[in-house]
Amino acid sequence: EDQVTQSPEALRLQEGESSSLNCSYTVSGLRGLFWYRQDPGKGPEFLFTLYSAGEEKEKERLKATLTKKESFLHITAPKPEDSATYLCAVQAHSGGYQKVTFGIGTKLQVIP
Amino acid sequence: NAGVTQTPKFQVLKTGQSMTLQCAQDMNHEYMSWYRQDPGMGLRLIHYSVGAGITDQGEVPNGYNVSRSTTEDFPLRLLSAAPSQTSVYFCASSETGGGEKLFFGSGTQLSVL
Repeated sequence: EDQVTQSPEALRLQEGESSSLNCSYTVSGLRGLFWYRQDPGKGPEFLFTLYSAGEEKEKERLKATLTKKESFLHITAPKPEDSATYLCAVQAHSGGYQKVTFGIGTKLQVIP
Repeated sequence: NAGVTQTPKFQVLKTGQSMTLQCAQDMNHEYMSWYRQDPGMGLRLIHYSVGAGITDQGEVPNGYNVSRSTTEDFPLRLLSAAPSQTSVYFCASSETGGGEKLFFGSGTQLSVL
């Protein structure tokens, strides 16, 4: 069974204090790993897709990296507007095209 | 530029009542899906559609029904509401299906008493 574990559950940072969120996964044959951002009361918003170990993607202050067992979302010099819950999800090659397993997320709070 | 529109935003039902959650998208996406989000759990797929007239079950389909008569609309029907269906429901659409580049609606918060 595919599994996604995100840590920490919550993270509080001062503005400008860089950190990383972790997503550990177990999947038989990774098709893709996805990062989403979710603001309170809203639906998730797509950030990145990573396909293979060693791959990196960047967007503004966010950089996502992938190994064979985990992914990291690095946040450099965060701002208060980066406060949100960040979700990680994986999709395997097997188990049906639509079978995507989501983690429960890391709630990030950036304090001015 | 509406994207994915869900209605209603909030709903309270009594056990045994039925209702339909509406979902519409204006991006001409073939793939649409319904997820539920519960505290302490990740998003779980209820039903999905790969095109008009084609639907299939996801991870937690029991108690829900869907149909897809047009590309734009994908309503979710609760047949006989139960307290276990209290949740936040999200509709999503995408060009390619799976987990990549899903466009989510703003959600429906449903309480079943």
